Amino acid sequence: GAGVSQTPSNKVTEKGKYVELRCDPISGHTALYWYRQSLGQGPEFLIYFQGTGAADDSGLPNDRFFAVRPEGSVSTLKIQRTERGDSAVYLCASSFQPTGSSGNEQFFGPGTRLTVL
Amino acid sequence: DAKTTQPPSMDCAEGRAANLPCNHSTISGNEYVYWYRQIHSQGPQYIIHGLKNNETNEMASLIITEDRKSSTLILPHATLRDTAVYYCIVPGGYALNFGKGTSLLVTP
Repeated sequence: GAGVSQTPSNKVTEKGKYVELRCDPISGHTALYWYRQSLGQGPEFLIYFQGTGAADDSGLPNDRFFAVRPEGSVSTLKIQRTERGDSAVYLCASSFQPTGSSGNEQFFGPGTRLTVL
Repeated sequence: DAKTTQPPSMDCAEGRAANLPCNHSTISGNEYVYWYRQIHSQGPQYIIHGLKNNETNEMASLIITEDRKSSTLILPHATLRDTAVYYCIVPGGYALNFGKGTSLLVTP
């Protein structure tokens, strides 16, 4: 079946611009997660959605970052006034139910590589 | 999250079993152990997870010690395509804390 998809695969933008990154989770998965991976590091958690609501956005680095999931499926990560330090691979994952004591694994998309010039 | 400790790197000859260890001595009773891997420039790939019992699937086997303080991921017949960074994760909640993982190099 179809896995998690992310678009675009690559995005190059200029400092100060606004960008949107899209994630299509696996059909039927209620939980959706965004992570960010900088060069040479493991992925770091940004935000978690259960259904349409952001259940935990504690990993968002600052208020320039925002994410939505209006219909409980597709999610968009939005970055305002991009900075060079935002350059990274942004990964999306989904799971049938939230990971944790339920033992539900997260499945990852291929990521969007964001480069801020 | 329970802290996990993995060796930074390991080598394995092609065709041999790769045994990747992980220590998670602070794991609590209802926390699962997950293994993921990341091949260069790709998203993390789920391998296997377990709670108490040993688990096996088409990719690997997971051996969890009786006290649950450590586990071993076994790739029974490693191939060159198994070269990747392997992450052992014990998520206390829903966020996966990847840490630095073990860089496995499979050699011809």
